[in-house]
Amino acid sequence: NAGVMQNPRHLVRRRGQEARLRCSPMKGHSHVYWYRQLPEEGLKFMVYLQKENIIDESGMPKERFSAEFPKEGPSILRIQQVVRGDSAAYFCASSPPVGLPGPKNIQYFGAGTRLSVL
Amino acid sequence: AQTVTQSQPEMSVQEAETVTLSCTYDTSESDYYLFWYKQPPSRQMILVIRQEAYKQQNATENRFSVNFQKAAKSFSLKISDSQLGDAAMYFCAYRSPYGGSQGNLIFGKGTKLSVKP
Repeated sequence: NAGVMQNPRHLVRRRGQEARLRCSPMKGHSHVYWYRQLPEEGLKFMVYLQKENIIDESGMPKERFSAEFPKEGPSILRIQQVVRGDSAAYFCASSPPVGLPGPKNIQYFGAGTRLSVL
Repeated sequence: AQTVTQSQPEMSVQEAETVTLSCTYDTSESDYYLFWYKQPPSRQMILVIRQEAYKQQNATENRFSVNFQKAAKSFSLKISDSQLGDAAMYFCAYRSPYGGSQGNLIFGKGTKLSVKP
């Protein structure tokens, strides 16, 4: 059973370009979370999605950032017109829906995407 | 709002010895989940151990155990018989028991653990 897959592992963008980060959750998982990790910091929550729905985007900047989790395909975190301050590691985590066997309330993380803005 | 504090930015331990990493948190909820995650240089976040607040018994996973003091809001991680592969950043995290909008993890800033051969 493959874990949470994120790609690319490293993304380089120039200021003003767009960044698209992809996350494929674990098989059977319908909940996806995005976190951002700045250097020397812990992870900070950005957005929580279920299939085709944004449940909580309270941690995501209102401007330039958007996220989606379509019925088919990976979850996408999109950053428009990137600035140097967007340079960070972006992590995706997934968790299973209620009713699936196994330990509850655990989020399984991908290896992250390191975004570098030049 | 809940907060998680890790007061030790860096720790060091001799191989085969025991080390304890500290974590305190602040919450007004009576039920919640606490986690320790390990982040090696590969950056992959790996779940080490999990504790449910309603359980009085401290969680244990092989060489890893926790000391959960609910009244003191303390959740320390003990690593016994430390190995070179334990060297990593360790993050303490809190999660509300509720799903939906409160289900995200709240992380501390981390403790960097070095293991000396």
